[in-house]
Amino acid sequence: AQSVSQHNHHVILSEAASLELGCNYSYGGTVNLFWYVQYPGQHLQLLLKYFSGDPLVKGIKGFEAEFIKSKFSFNLRKPSVQWSDTAEYFCAVNALDSSASKIIFGSGTRLSIRP
Amino acid sequence: DGGITQSPKYLFRKEGQNVTLSCEQNLNHDAMYWYRQDPGQGLRLIYYSQIVNDFQKGDIAEGYSVSREKKESFPLTVTSAQKNPTAFYLCASSIDSLTANYGYTFGSGTRLTVV
Repeated sequence: AQSVSQHNHHVILSEAASLELGCNYSYGGTVNLFWYVQYPGQHLQLLLKYFSGDPLVKGIKGFEAEFIKSKFSFNLRKPSVQWSDTAEYFCAVNALDSSASKIIFGSGTRLSIRP
Repeated sequence: DGGITQSPKYLFRKEGQNVTLSCEQNLNHDAMYWYRQDPGQGLRLIYYSQIVNDFQKGDIAEGYSVSREKKESFPLTVTSAQKNPTAFYLCASSIDSLTANYGYTFGSGTRLTVV
């Protein structure tokens, strides 16, 4: 069965620091990959997604993620974080070869930015 | 505006009672999903439906039931058999029924507390 691992449960950074949040998945077939963000008191929102093609995908608010198939990873990055990036971030995977359409989420990484 | 409406936002239930959470979407999406969000565990799939009058169990379906009599509605009943129902419940939908290629649209959630 597919699964998603986010090893960092809570990350604390200062403003302007660079960010990298790890995401690994376990599934040998074709996948679609997502990062979702949940700002305090708000809905989950799609940050970026990978379907095919260029493994470096750019999302909203300066975020990007790189799909490395050989490592089963889809890490999220941002060169310089802002206080407004404080949120919880979820990596998610949709296994395309499976019979059902459902997205499996990681346990989330809480990002706290010190002003 | 198109979107997903979950109601109520907060719900209190006495032990031993069943309670139903509402989820309505006007996006004309085929697929709908219920997730449960607990701190440190991310989102776990309860039930999903790819088409009207059809639904499948997710990873943690025990103690829950659903129906999909209309395309736009996917209510979740938390029964008295659910041993630990206090949680934040999220409803989502996706545009197609075969793969969730476009990612999900999420509702704002219902926080259920058992008293």
